[in-house]
Amino acid sequence: QVQLQQWGAGLLKPSETLSLTCAVYGGSFSGNYWTWIRQPPGKGLEWIGEINHSGTTNYNPSLKSRVTISVDTSKNQFSLKMNSVTAADTAVYYCAREAVRAPQEWGQGILVSVSS
Amino acid sequence: DIVMTQTPLSSPVTLGQPASISCRSSQSLVHSDGNTYLSWLHQRPGQPPRLLLYKISNRFSGVPDRFSGSGAGTDFTLKISRVESEDVGIYYCMQATQFPRTFGQGTKVEIK
Repeated sequence: QVQLQQWGAGLLKPSETLSLTCAVYGGSFSGNYWTWIRQPPGKGLEWIGEINHSGTTNYNPSLKSRVTISVDTSKNQFSLKMNSVTAADTAVYYCAREAVRAPQEWGQGILVSVSS
Repeated sequence: DIVMTQTPLSSPVTLGQPASISCRSSQSLVHSDGNTYLSWLHQRPGQPPRLLLYKISNRFSGVPDRFSGSGAGTDFTLKISRVESEDVGIYYCMQATQFPRTFGQGTKVEIK
């Protein structure tokens, strides 16, 4: 069974860069898409983007100019970087495995707060 | 972007009674490969969402058979045959036919 464990800085100042990593345990790292999704406090879900084992990415156009998703297949990890954060980027950030075009397993989530 | 619209946004239900949530997409979710990539997720407070159904009606591993999905094109429905206490929380539909993936606003299910 695939398990995802994520980590990263939880408190940022405006204009800083958000950096999160998600490690994948169990299952196959290849043959899947690895996804980042966020949820502002008390609000709904927003898809950020995804990457596969070969580095092919797809991004939400609303965030594309600020987001980079990368993969390290040697460690079975993938990462999210988002630059120039503002208070509007305050959210719980989740990593997930997408298979059959559905987010099947999820990380535990990390609350990232942006405040001066 | 495809807009996903759920109704109702709040659903008080009685334990043991059925519940139903609708999800409508602004465009057809039929992919060129013939599949319809519509999923349903359930989120309890303080927890990550978990997948219930994918491709309209396929139950994910471990999901009880009281959950079922139906629909086609732009109109979809999640049904819970007999609501149990563990079913409270927020339900989201999600489309993965087109980029970017998009979600409905969520429907809060609570016990009367």
